[in-house]
Amino acid sequence: AQSVTQLDSHVSVSEGTPVLLRCNYSSSYSPSLFWYVQHPNKGLQLLLKYTSAATLVKGINGFEAEFKKSETSFHLTKPSAHMSDAAEYFCVVSDRPSNTGKLIFGQGTTLQVKP
Amino acid sequence: DGGITQSPKYLFRKEGQNVTLSCEQNLNHDAMYWYRQDPGQGLRLIYYSQIVNDFQKGDIAEGYSVSREKKESFPLTVTSAQKNPTAFYLCASSISSVTANTGELFFGEGSRLTVL
Repeated sequence: AQSVTQLDSHVSVSEGTPVLLRCNYSSSYSPSLFWYVQHPNKGLQLLLKYTSAATLVKGINGFEAEFKKSETSFHLTKPSAHMSDAAEYFCVVSDRPSNTGKLIFGQGTTLQVKP
Repeated sequence: DGGITQSPKYLFRKEGQNVTLSCEQNLNHDAMYWYRQDPGQGLRLIYYSQIVNDFQKGDIAEGYSVSREKKESFPLTVTSAQKNPTAFYLCASSISSVTANTGELFFGEGSRLTVL
């Protein structure tokens, strides 16, 4: 069965410094992996996705993630944090190969950005 | 504008009452989903529907019911059998369950249910 583990429940950075949100996955198959962002009391928005194409994936708002099969990781990074990046971030794996469309969510990482 | 509309945004209910959360989409998507979100637990799937007039239980379906009589609508009823219903509920849709596997889920803004 697929699963994801977000290694930090809370990350705090200063504005203008790099962001690293860590995610490890477990999958018996070639996984599809995603990062979603959620601002307070809002729905989730897709940041980026990996679906077996390029291992370095670029997303919206300057975020990117690198798929590393040898490390079973899919960490999210951004070179320079902005105040508007403060939100909760979810690492997600798809429930393949059943094709039910079920996504398996990590527990989330809260990103705090200090001025 | 196309999107997913959830209502109400905030809802209070007394113990023992059933409550229905509305989810409507005008994206012409076949698949729809209900997730429950609790602090520190990520999102957990309650029910999903891959096509009209069909739906399946997710990981935490006990105490919930759904219907899918129309393509654009997927209401969720939280019954009195749900032991801990206070949570944030999110509805989502995708073109199909196959495209959902590529992460293309579109979410509503959620409904926060509080049981008094």
